[in-house]
Amino acid sequence: GQNIDQPTEMTATEGAIVQINCTYQTSGFNGLFWYQQHAGEAPTFLSYNVLDGLEEKGRFSSFLSRSKGYSYLLLKELQMKDSASYLCAVMDSNYQLIWGAGTKLIIKP
Amino acid sequence: SQTIHQWPATLVQPVGSPLSLECTVEGTSNPNLYWYRQAAGRGLQLLFYSVGIGQISSEVPQNLSASRPQDRQFILSSKKLLLSDSGFYLCAWTGPGLSGANVLTFGAGSRLTVL
Repeated sequence: GQNIDQPTEMTATEGAIVQINCTYQTSGFNGLFWYQQHAGEAPTFLSYNVLDGLEEKGRFSSFLSRSKGYSYLLLKELQMKDSASYLCAVMDSNYQLIWGAGTKLIIKP
Repeated sequence: SQTIHQWPATLVQPVGSPLSLECTVEGTSNPNLYWYRQAAGRGLQLLFYSVGIGQISSEVPQNLSASRPQDRQFILSSKKLLLSDSGFYLCAWTGPGLSGANVLTFGAGSRLTVL
């Protein structure tokens, strides 16, 4: 079967760096997405990786290793507003998105 | 620019009552349209998707149905709600065709509580 694994919850301190890991086993691969979802709101798109390596967007970076079935989302200079759930999703060979359950990130002052 | 509208934002319905959630997309043609459900503390579950008018694919057998009467309109319905239908319903769209670069964009969501 197809599977996406990510930690259920993480805690970090304001101003610090946090890395949220995502491992996947899917039927084929057409890209990996990260979304941010604040409590009670809809998910919003953060990043898309289809080739190995690091994609940087301001304070957020996303890394992909297709051979290892692994990605991480790196958040730098954490702010209180970064408290949210972070969803990892992989597009399989049928162009269907397979979703992880999400990682709830708690930022402490 | 493209925008997606979804309504109502919240609703409380008794068991056995009907349901209709509506979603429209502006600023694009032939979008792929999706209905997801997110139960409390759970991941996103794909319910229906549509690649064109009148074309609906169902991912999960249940008492819900979807319709696409117009190119940019997607409706989620039920004739009789169950308690287990409670959740956060999200409409989403991507550009036409199948591509890994097609980013899924969500509406604001509809929170349904069935009592």
